Amino acid sequence: DAKTTQPNSMESNEEEPVHLPCNHSTISGTDYIHWYRQLPSQGPEYVIHGLTSNVNNRMASLAIAEDRKSSTLILHRATLRDAAVYYCIPLNYGGATNKLIFGTGTLLAVQP
Amino acid sequence: KAGVTQTPRYLIKTRGQQVTLSCSPISGHRSVSWYQQTPGQGLQFLFEYFSETQRNKGNFPGRFSGRQFSNSRSEMNVSTLELGDSALYLCASSIGQNSGANVLTFGAGSRLTVL
Repeated sequence: DAKTTQPNSMESNEEEPVHLPCNHSTISGTDYIHWYRQLPSQGPEYVIHGLTSNVNNRMASLAIAEDRKSSTLILHRATLRDAAVYYCIPLNYGGATNKLIFGTGTLLAVQP
Repeated sequence: KAGVTQTPRYLIKTRGQQVTLSCSPISGHRSVSWYQQTPGQGLQFLFEYFSETQRNKGNFPGRFSGRQFSNSRSEMNVSTLELGDSALYLCASSIGQNSGANVLTFGAGSRLTVL
């Protein structure tokens, strides 16, 4: 299983962009990179995923390094509701399981 | 559409008892996974069921078991409860395809307190 490294915590101001980094240097060529977040007192929530190309959806953007050893989740305009723990998780393509291995994640604080 | 429903949301048990938690997945989802979340260990994978078969299992003792029914609903059981089993138990459902692009939807969890 690929190991990930994320900062323990980050802080942002409301309405400013946030870049959440993740190092996954042991990722395999067939691992997708998933991001989930967990808001206080809730279950984790899917944010975005990608394989090689940068990805955008209504919640965020995902920038994947060319060598795929790192990725960055981008929240374009942070809101108070974005305060959560963000998890970067490799998930193997073609694996006969949907086992997510959660690391410690990054606790994002958003200041008004 | 309805999300993943977990019941009960909160429960208190004493050591030595057993507990059964229930999870109703999103309609059409065939895979159900269970996770345990504690302050010390974080989120840990317990097991996954797909089409009534256990597809993968985490590193937990045999006291932790689960099953899935033909309608994809799932239950997990913990026997002989220990204080350390106090945790938030999360269920997640997905279509279940064998793909790294598969997306999981989590329920709000069942918070178990063992006294």
